Amino acid sequence: GENVEQHPSTLSVQEGDSAVIKCTYSDSASNYFPWYKQELGKGPQLIIDIRSNVGEKKDQRIAVTLNKTAKHFSLHITETQPEDSAVYFCAAPSYNTDKLIFGTGTRLQVFP
Amino acid sequence: KAGVTQTPRYLIKTRGQQVTLSCSPISGHRSVSWYQQTPGQGLQFLFEYFSETQRNKGNFPGRFSGRQFSNSRSEMNVSTLELGDSALYLCASSALGTGGRDEQFFGPGTRLTVL
Repeated sequence: GENVEQHPSTLSVQEGDSAVIKCTYSDSASNYFPWYKQELGKGPQLIIDIRSNVGEKKDQRIAVTLNKTAKHFSLHITETQPEDSAVYFCAAPSYNTDKLIFGTGTRLQVFP
Repeated sequence: KAGVTQTPRYLIKTRGQQVTLSCSPISGHRSVSWYQQTPGQGLQFLFEYFSETQRNKGNFPGRFSGRQFSNSRSEMNVSTLELGDSALYLCASSALGTGGRDEQFFGPGTRLTVL
């Protein structure tokens, strides 16, 4: 069935270091991969997404890479700041069921 | 442009009661999806409405239902509440709602507690 695996479940980094979160998906037809950031008491916020016609996309300190052959995609945050602390979710569409499947989330803590 | 709004933000109910949650999508968006978020199960898809029609449904019992109005506002209803229904209920709107392949924007959620 459709599945999106996300690792790690928790990640602690020092301010200024980089953070990487990885996801794998099962539906080979998937072609849209969003990343969401959820802060305490708020709904998930779309921070970046990538479509399968590109391998990498950057937006300031955030980048997402996609490897369609291996069916995995990753979120990279450089020069982390305390305000990056949140739960991050990856997602991929399931064409079989026509809905967005979310990973289990990564709790990122950035220590000053 | 105003974001997705959800009301109420917090709700406390007792077992057996029923509840109705409301979601107003971003202006111009015709698709509204509902999700249940719990610590143990993560984000689980409930259903999607597009132009007043339910287009997709997740694996939830019939106690969970929804509808969408002509102005794209949506409501979801949970009848005969159980303790396990305690969760954050999130609504997401998108312009095209193309099966999760379009950008979805989430509201702040309604925190439901069932006692």
